[in-house]
Amino acid sequence: DAGITQSPRHKVTETGTPVTLRCHQTENHRYMYWYRQDPGHGLRLIHYSYGVKDTDKGEVSDGYSVSRSKTEDFLLTLESATSSQTSVYFCAISEGAGQSTGELFFGEGSRLTVL
Amino acid sequence: EDKVVQSPLSLVVHEGDTVTLNCSYEVTNFRSLLWYKQEKKAPTFLFMLTSSGIEKKSGRLSSILDKKELFSILNITATQTGDSAIYLCALRSGYSTLTFGKGTMLLVSP
Repeated sequence: DAGITQSPRHKVTETGTPVTLRCHQTENHRYMYWYRQDPGHGLRLIHYSYGVKDTDKGEVSDGYSVSRSKTEDFLLTLESATSSQTSVYFCAISEGAGQSTGELFFGEGSRLTVL
Repeated sequence: EDKVVQSPLSLVVHEGDTVTLNCSYEVTNFRSLLWYKQEKKAPTFLFMLTSSGIEKKSGRLSSILDKKELFSILNITATQTGDSAIYLCALRSGYSTLTFGKGTMLLVSP
């Protein structure tokens, strides 16, 4: 199994509070991703990183920010959580973006409930 | 904008049946198409397809890609209850990210 750890695994918070989810990898992979998964929508990309301090937005980035200060850590922050951000969040990593290295490895997911 | 459409969205079969899951796509710069299986937690990788007509096989699962007609299928023969899962199709285009379909939820009844 790929060495990906997400924390916390479960969190309940209130609307308006800040939340940070952490993804830690031990594979030294260049690319890291945050996805959210919701019924009827599948997996949707929030943000991704292609190196330390290099990040870009995905299709559902509004209300989220990310930071990557070290290769192994990718943080997802909800500055002011809303109920629409209740979801399961998956971190993923990949070695590269080419045809031979395009496979993503996923973490176990973090279930966030915003009341 | 890249697009991935999976069908059916859900499916119930009996153990021993053969199933075919479909994935059609629209893309501007195709690089690869991937299949994942998701049980209760993280999606796990099944296949990556880059060339038309070449079947990828792993045990009872197989997949093939048609780049002319822009679709892929995932076949599962002699289904078992352990095959019950959500099957995800994902597309990689000229960028570094994957675009996922909504998934097919397969339930195999004993």
